[in-house]
Parts: sequence; C-alpha cells; structure tokens
Amino acid sequence: ETGVTQTPRHLVMGMTNKKSLKCEQHLGHNAMYWYKQSAKKPLELMFVYSLEERVENNSVPSRFSPECPNSSHLFLHLHTLQPEDSALYLCASSLGTAQETQYFGPGTRLLVL
Amino acid sequence: GENVEQHPSTLSVQEGDSAVIKCTYSDSASNYFPWYKQELGKRPQLIIDIRSNVGEKKDQRIAVTLNKTAKHFSLHITETQPEDSAVYFCAASSGAQKLVFGQGTRLTINP
Repeated sequence: ETGVTQTPRHLVMGMTNKKSLKCEQHLGHNAMYWYKQSAKKPLELMFVYSLEERVENNSVPSRFSPECPNSSHLFLHLHTLQPEDSALYLCASSLGTAQETQYFGPGTRLLVL
Repeated sequence: GENVEQHPSTLSVQEGDSAVIKCTYSDSASNYFPWYKQELGKRPQLIIDIRSNVGEKKDQRIAVTLNKTAKHFSLHITETQPEDSAVYFCAASSGAQKLVFGQGTRLTINP
C-alpha cells in the first residue's frame, strides 16, 4: 500500500488559486500516469510519462500541467481550475510501459470552489 | 481509438452466488485485459489479467474469459463474499502505454 504515495490527500481550492499535486513511487518503475476519476465516469487517462518523457497527453486542458523531474516523482500543477475539475486524481506507476500492471496511489480528492 | 463498454453498471447478488461482469472492446489490436477492484475510499488494485494468447484464466474464486472473435471479456466471481463488494473496472490495451477503462460496475454482496 505504500508503493505509490500521493500528497495532499484532500485539496480545496478557488478558481484563481495555483496548487500542485505530488506523486512518488518507491517501486523502481519507469512509467508514471495521471488519471482523473469523476463520479459515474470511467477512469480518464490524462498523462503518461516513460523514463521522464511525456508519451501521452490525452487532450487535457492547459490548466493542468504535468512535470516529471525523475522516474520516481510526478507532479500535476493546477491553475485557474473550474468547478467541473473537481474529482479524484489518481497517480499510477508501472515497471515498463506496455501491458504492465499499473499500481495506483491513494489519490487526491480535489474540490474546486 | 479504443473504446471499452462495461455492463452492468450495478450488480447485486446474494452471498454465495456467482457474479459476472462483461466488457466489450472495439480495437481488434488490443491484447491485454486487466481487471481492477476499487473498494470504497481506496485505490484501484489489479485482481486478475489476461492476454490474448489464452482464452481463460483462473485464480481461486476469480476467473476471466476472453473471446477475441467477439471482442468481449468477462469477470466471473464464484462463491461471493461480503468483502467482494466494490467497484470493478475492466480495461484494454493494444500494446502502448495506454489502458482504456470501462465505466465500472458497483458490485454489492447481500448477506
């Protein structure tokens, strides 16, 4: 349960705020992912990083900005969010990239007021 | 791109009975199909996966079947127990980094 950690676990922000979500994996994995989980919707892939290079950007609005300084850390920088961005943001990692088990973090529950 | 449909969205079964969740996918190139379980307030966790070179895989009370011709795969849980109550997600991948998830099935086991 401690292989992938995320901070903060809960975040409330106004639409004009700037905040960052942090993810850290202790599994020696090479790929990291950001997902958005909203009520009554499937898990939506936002970004994929492989060996610190972004390899997937799923048409995510520019108010979400990812950063992967090394293979163990992943950030999601947030600015001028909208109320519809309120959701659970999950980070995941996998050993390789193709068809590997993804291990999820506990998520950050984000509320945008 | 890949599209994964999952049914039913909710499922309620009596303890001890079996539960079946079905998924269909659109990309015939997909060849990896994991299933994740997400308990209330917890993270999704892999419970079983299957690759396209086999038609069935079993792990104790959980089994997954794959029909590549029809492009559908199913999760079977036998002798259900209260701790099986959770949301279950299927997913499909064609070999790239991307997993496309189904909408999820909320399974409730009634004592």
